[in-house]
Amino acid sequence: GENVEQHPSTLSVQEGDSAVIKCTYSDSASNYFPWYKQELGKRPQLIIDIRSNVGEKKDQRIAVTLNKTAKHFSLHITETQPEDSAVYFCAASIGTGGGNKLTFGTGTQLKVEL
Amino acid sequence: GAVVSQHPSWVICKSGTSVKIECRSLDFQATTMFWYRQFPKQSLMLMATSNEGSKATYEQGVEKDKFLINHASLTLSTLTVTSAHPEDSSFYICSARRRGSSYNEQFFGPGTRLTVL
Repeated sequence: GENVEQHPSTLSVQEGDSAVIKCTYSDSASNYFPWYKQELGKRPQLIIDIRSNVGEKKDQRIAVTLNKTAKHFSLHITETQPEDSAVYFCAASIGTGGGNKLTFGTGTQLKVEL
Repeated sequence: GAVVSQHPSWVICKSGTSVKIECRSLDFQATTMFWYRQFPKQSLMLMATSNEGSKATYEQGVEKDKFLINHASLTLSTLTVTSAHPEDSSFYICSARRRGSSYNEQFFGPGTRLTVL
């Protein structure tokens, strides 16, 4: 089955700096890669996703890049703010069938310090 | 759109009792719902995949007789933790996949915090 690795496990940045979180996946058939932000005790919230037919996607301060050859994808947050502090999870999914599941990375605790 | 609710948001029960958790898609039809368990400071671990009108598919290591899943309609799935024990204490989160969506985009419920005494 699919295996997703995520690094780093913790990341501290100063307010205004950029943050980068990286994930690798094992199954070349994966075609959907979402990123979730989870605050303590709350639901994961989709912040951005990318499909295998594109290499980069951007939404304001957030961007995701995908390298299918190397089987890795990254989340980039620019101009970080204290409210960006949370746990971020990457995930990968194979195919388009109704029962296909998401495989999650182990998470990155991001702390944005003033 | 794409709102998923869960009930209850938290529950405390005695060891040996059963607990039912409901997951509802409020403004869309969900052919597939997923149940996850999340322990403190860990990732989401998929327990089972639930398809409307059919039996759930459980992940390896998840006891189907202990975690009963029912997906009776396109907007409701339930998870029943039978004979709960303290080691079942966790954060249970459901998600739903919109009917007709071409990719595996999932919308998550707010989670249910289960504490077994």
